[in-house]
Amino acid sequence: DAGITQSPRHKVTETGTPVTLRCHQTENHRYMYWYRQDPGHGLRLIHYSYGVKDTDKGEVSDGYSVSRSKTEDFLLTLESATSSQTSVYFCAISGGAGSYNSPLHFGNGTRLTVT
Amino acid sequence: EDQVTQSPEALRLQEGESSSLNCSYTVSGLRGLFWYRQDPGKGPEFLFTLYSAGEEKEKERLKATLTKKESFLHITAPKPEDSATYLCAVRTQGGSEKLVFGKGTKLTVNP
Repeated sequence: DAGITQSPRHKVTETGTPVTLRCHQTENHRYMYWYRQDPGHGLRLIHYSYGVKDTDKGEVSDGYSVSRSKTEDFLLTLESATSSQTSVYFCAISGGAGSYNSPLHFGNGTRLTVT
Repeated sequence: EDQVTQSPEALRLQEGESSSLNCSYTVSGLRGLFWYRQDPGKGPEFLFTLYSAGEEKEKERLKATLTKKESFLHITAPKPEDSATYLCAVRTQGGSEKLVFGKGTKLTVNP
């Protein structure tokens, strides 16, 4: 495994509540990503980070925010959860020391259900 | 807009029956094409990176090839443990390290 821990692994929440998912890496990689995976859509990028406090939006960023205050942690917040955000969320990392154009390595996901 | 299309969506093989999965892409400029394997309840697991047309990579029963428009993942004499969803992704020119994924091919190998 690539040293990526996602927490929680499962969460059920109610519509309208805020939710924060955490991704922790022990690899000291520069880049971190949040993807969601849904049947019929595949993996879609929500947000990514290219360094501490440096983040950018992906293709499905509406309703989500992120923060990266330390190299090892990347947080994804659903500001007010909706049923359309029921999904499996994957964190990924890339860009170890001296590497360029390197593959992403994924955590095992967080399954989020919004009721 | 960058697009990645995988076919077929699902494939059933008998053990030992070789086949190929296809990944076609339309991108502004390709920096790399990546193959992943995903088992149920797990995150995608990296298999190969291909950087230029004509390149090939092999790992056990899997061989990935790349042309200017598509990539193939050839599976030779598959075993039931090769059953998984196989994902293809591209990284494009423009400076970002993000990957754009296809929707995957679900492979089932029956004993």
